[in-house]
Amino acid sequence: RKEVEQDPGPFNVPEGATVAFNCTYSNSASQSFFWYRQDCRKEPKLLMSVYSSGNEDGRFTAQLNRASQYISLLIRDSKLSDSATYLCVPHLGYGQNFVFGPGTRLSVLP
Amino acid sequence: DGGITQSPKYLFRKEGQNVTLSCEQNLNHDAMYWYRQDPGQGLRLIYYSQIVNDFQKGDIAEGYSVSREKKESFPLTVTSAQKNPTAFYLCASGPGTVAHTEAFFGQGTRLTVV
Repeated sequence: RKEVEQDPGPFNVPEGATVAFNCTYSNSASQSFFWYRQDCRKEPKLLMSVYSSGNEDGRFTAQLNRASQYISLLIRDSKLSDSATYLCVPHLGYGQNFVFGPGTRLSVLP
Repeated sequence: DGGITQSPKYLFRKEGQNVTLSCEQNLNHDAMYWYRQDPGQGLRLIYYSQIVNDFQKGDIAEGYSVSREKKESFPLTVTSAQKNPTAFYLCASGPGTVAHTEAFFGQGTRLTVV
């Protein structure tokens, strides 16, 4: 089993739609979790940190289920500018490394 | 302005040459990382460092070397032993504390072997 698995996508959705991405991780010792977005040929940028069962930031909601080793990202009222690849990133804790998922590509269509 | 700076943005290398990619941060971050990304692929860890004068190999360290002589700097050398070096190289830094483990990326260096 891969360390991090994500919906392969691509997801093509109309503006205003709600879309959800799923991510599973294999290492139960993972301490913290992040969602990054990466635009084409650019660096990843931190979208959200997920430290407890989940949190919300505007149109974005992240959920964490440690028992199932599952993380999700929900985007409401999609904008054209949301088009990007979304990376699920567990972290093993202080002094350890990040494990980047392969990413899920989202295209929001006018 | 605080941030993490990679240079150059584009780099061309002849086969058999060593090249060094620069990564500097003024965020007072303890942790620094180097990743490689190939087209359509995810990020793979080359090396990381949690403290000055110490660094650890990542998943694909062969053909690469690093140093961490200063907190602000974590240069990556791509040696001639790296057989397929053409890729997008990303440097990241983070606070590296128990409470805050997130990482922030530089704009990357695109290396092409000609």
